[in-house]
Amino acid sequence: TQLLEQSPQFLSIQEGENLTVYCNSSSVFSSLQWYRQEPGEGPVLLVTVVTGGEVKKLKRLTFQFGDARKDSSLHITAAQPGDTGLYLCAGGSDIIFGKGTRLHILP
Amino acid sequence: DTAVSQTPKYLVTQMGNDKSIKCEQNLGHDTMYWYKQDSKKFLKIMFSYNNKELIINETVPNRFSPKSPDKAHLNLHINSLELGDSAVYFCASSHRQSFHNEQFFGPGTRLTVL
Repeated sequence: TQLLEQSPQFLSIQEGENLTVYCNSSSVFSSLQWYRQEPGEGPVLLVTVVTGGEVKKLKRLTFQFGDARKDSSLHITAAQPGDTGLYLCAGGSDIIFGKGTRLHILP
Repeated sequence: DTAVSQTPKYLVTQMGNDKSIKCEQNLGHDTMYWYKQDSKKFLKIMFSYNNKELIINETVPNRFSPKSPDKAHLNLHINSLELGDSAVYFCASSHRQSFHNEQFFGPGTRLTVL
């Protein structure tokens, strides 16, 4: 059974700081997706990473897929209050989700 | 212009009742899904469905059944509601041809069973 472990579960930092959150598995994934979910709304797709070692940038967000395609990271530079939300990674043909990292950026 | 819509947004009902949640997508996708998100925000797939194939998560009780009148709609029927069914239910869609199963989610339906 494929599992995705996300860490940390919770993260609260000041505006302007940098942060990294992680999505790890013991299984190989053909691709991983990152979603952001805001309170009262559904998750919104941010990015899909496909190739081992791939790096994708979305403004201040940088996503990396591990060389072995078993893990991924999301780095946010100069976090803003608008980055607050639940960050979820997902993947697999059975579409499994990690339990998420709840991020809170303090103004 | 909403891509994936669900109704109702909130549903409060008594234990033992039967209820339905409706979902519609206007993205032209051929696969639709239902997810359950519990109080700890854990998102778990319940069903995936296209016009040829229904895949059921084996952990879902048979009180839950998806009904698809056409490719753009996938409704969720729940019989004999139980307290543990209280959660937020999300509908989603994707293009089956997308190898990566990228999901487009609706806004969710918060179900409270009293």
